[in-house]
Amino acid sequence: EIVLSQSPGTLSLSPGERATLSCRASQSVSSSYLAWYQQKPGQAPRLLIYGASSRATGIPDRFSGSGSGTDFTLTISRLEPEDFAVYYCQQYGSSPRTFGQGTKLEIK
Amino acid sequence: QVQLVESGGGVVQPGGSLRLSCAASGFTFNTYAMHWVRQAPGKGLEWVAFIRYDGTNEYYADSVQGRFTISRDNSKNTLYLQMNSLRAEDTAVYYCAKDRYNGDAPFDYWGQGTLVTVSS
Repeated sequence: EIVLSQSPGTLSLSPGERATLSCRASQSVSSSYLAWYQQKPGQAPRLLIYGASSRATGIPDRFSGSGSGTDFTLTISRLEPEDFAVYYCQQYGSSPRTFGQGTKLEIK
Repeated sequence: QVQLVESGGGVVQPGGSLRLSCAASGFTFNTYAMHWVRQAPGKGLEWVAFIRYDGTNEYYADSVQGRFTISRDNSKNTLYLQMNSLRAEDTAVYYCAKDRYNGDAPFDYWGQGTLVTVSS
């Protein structure tokens, strides 16, 4: 099973700042089958990024993903108030599909 | 637009059973794989089960293998999760999620979830 470790656990930033979230895999993620999801309180997760760097439909271009192998990054270029949420990475290249433990992005 | 609506959650005693349903609309249900994902209170996401678009293949997390069964009725555009021998640690919000393709793909749409509480 591929274990995904996200850092930091909590990130405190202000609107307008740049956010960098990390996801590290215990082994290489095949074909960069790595996704990022955003979850707000009381809501279902929403797909942001897939294939490590492709934005899902309707996702603003301030969200970008990068990385390959075992190290992946989600970057939010300029934080908007609605971006404060929990973010999860997920690998879908091998079974079982696994998620990271999440990074909480909170308002400073 | 794509809609996934879960139902069937509730309170059940340890050792009991429950069947969750997920009604799908807004897309061609019988051409996409589907998943169940759960989230314990205050915790992260855990993938539970996968079923191929035609129901011919299923995969499960080790934590539910042998107790849970995923199935689908493509004539009714509905996904199911039969949960037997429930334990306290199965308490969670259960989401159904649509596969973006048919395996080796992310989950592009999620339902709002249904809460299952296992307690005596």
